[in-house]
Amino acid sequence: DSGVTQTPKHLITATGQRVTLRCSPRSGDLSVYWYQQSLDQGLQFLIQYYNGEERAKGNILERFSAQQFPDLHSELNLSSLELGDSALYFCASSLGGGQDLEQFFGPGTRLTVL
Amino acid sequence: DAKTTQPPSMDCAEGRAANLPCNHSTISGNEYVYWYRQIHSQGPQYIIHGLKNNETNEMASLIITEDRKSSTLILPHATLRDTAVYYCIVTANTGNQFYFGTGTSLTVIP
Repeated sequence: DSGVTQTPKHLITATGQRVTLRCSPRSGDLSVYWYQQSLDQGLQFLIQYYNGEERAKGNILERFSAQQFPDLHSELNLSSLELGDSALYFCASSLGGGQDLEQFFGPGTRLTVL
Repeated sequence: DAKTTQPPSMDCAEGRAANLPCNHSTISGNEYVYWYRQIHSQGPQYIIHGLKNNETNEMASLIITEDRKSSTLILPHATLRDTAVYYCIVTANTGNQFYFGTGTSLTVIP
């Protein structure tokens, strides 16, 4: 158990809909990262937050947005969903923003868009 | 963009050492090498990381070449539970977001 929690575990929705994925980092961790894992793209970095502020952006679509709240939990919002958004979404956390800090991954949310 | 190259698959006999190679020839001076593994569709699990020196922990050893262009992850006594996809990751130059490649699917054979 990494100490990172993600809800829900599974999510099934229809095209065009909007969903919110939630992540609670390990106690004391200030950085949160979101990754997407699909069959054809592998694990891709989406976005990073550090202590409430956006720190880095990766291959995140404009239809997706995220935020980190004062209690440090984070939410990833996916809108106008398409079939291709079906994937595993992982959240990770680390103590700070430095390169020498390992990231601890949550169990993931499996999103299925029908 | 993945900055690492790994063999797509490897087999290892149970109880033997598993040596997983990784090429990262474009690594910059301040970029770290991380190794993670993923069992089925679980969240990736941290194994080890290093900058220049070889590192060892309770799970594995990391050998980084002097020019830092390649590294090897060593699992000293592989067990069936070590069957997983192993990812070698080089951190981004501008931060510590991870760029995963395709990894090596390691199968430990009884």
